[in-house]
Amino acid sequence: DQQVKQNSPSLSVQEGRISILNCDYTNSMFDYFLWYKKYPAEGPTFLISISSIKDKNEDGRFTVFLNKSAKHLSLHIVPSQPGDSAVYFCAASGSGAGSYQLTFGKGTKLSVIP
Amino acid sequence: GAGVSQTPSNKVTEKGKYVELRCDPISGHTALYWYRQSLGQGPEFLIYFQGTGAADDSGLPNDRFFAVRPEGSVSTLKIQRTERGDSAVYLCASSLSKSAEAFFGQGTRLTVV
Repeated sequence: DQQVKQNSPSLSVQEGRISILNCDYTNSMFDYFLWYKKYPAEGPTFLISISSIKDKNEDGRFTVFLNKSAKHLSLHIVPSQPGDSAVYFCAASGSGAGSYQLTFGKGTKLSVIP
Repeated sequence: GAGVSQTPSNKVTEKGKYVELRCDPISGHTALYWYRQSLGQGPEFLIYFQGTGAADDSGLPNDRFFAVRPEGSVSTLKIQRTERGDSAVYLCASSLSKSAEAFFGQGTRLTVV
């Protein structure tokens, strides 16, 4: 039973355009959300995060939006660059005793076409 | 080293054998985690260490899996009587504290034949 879902296994976007990666969650106890980027043969690298008290967090070309009522978050990359081609994982954690434990989605493979 | 280091990068073993996977965290990081990523899945939590002790081992799939961190730095994940279903990438991560950002190693790809 997946608590964090990334329903698009892959996404192709033209260089310079916007990439939108989506993530849904089912556990109401999650209050911190993260996006990780993973290149082949490397470990996941932290990209950006958002706390449940916010609905938007921006860092350069990357913006994460959180819609708590819909239990949905999205990662926007503008403009997309070929180096952004990677697998993107959405992850969530709760507060309290289990706050360190990340629950990941299955990932979305982003291909940015030059 | 600057990042989390995992050895070996790849391990092929026969069904039924014992394997050890090593994780060298970032210096000074007291929290250490093991995750397992099966093909087509996201990483799944296995165990969390705070210092030398396993604070949460609820993600270990069964008693064939065990992990230690005797001096609060390097950790070893041990798998007994390996099965083909254990084939996966085993990821280690560390952080300054349990609420801080976790940094992942490159993983060990375990293949059980």
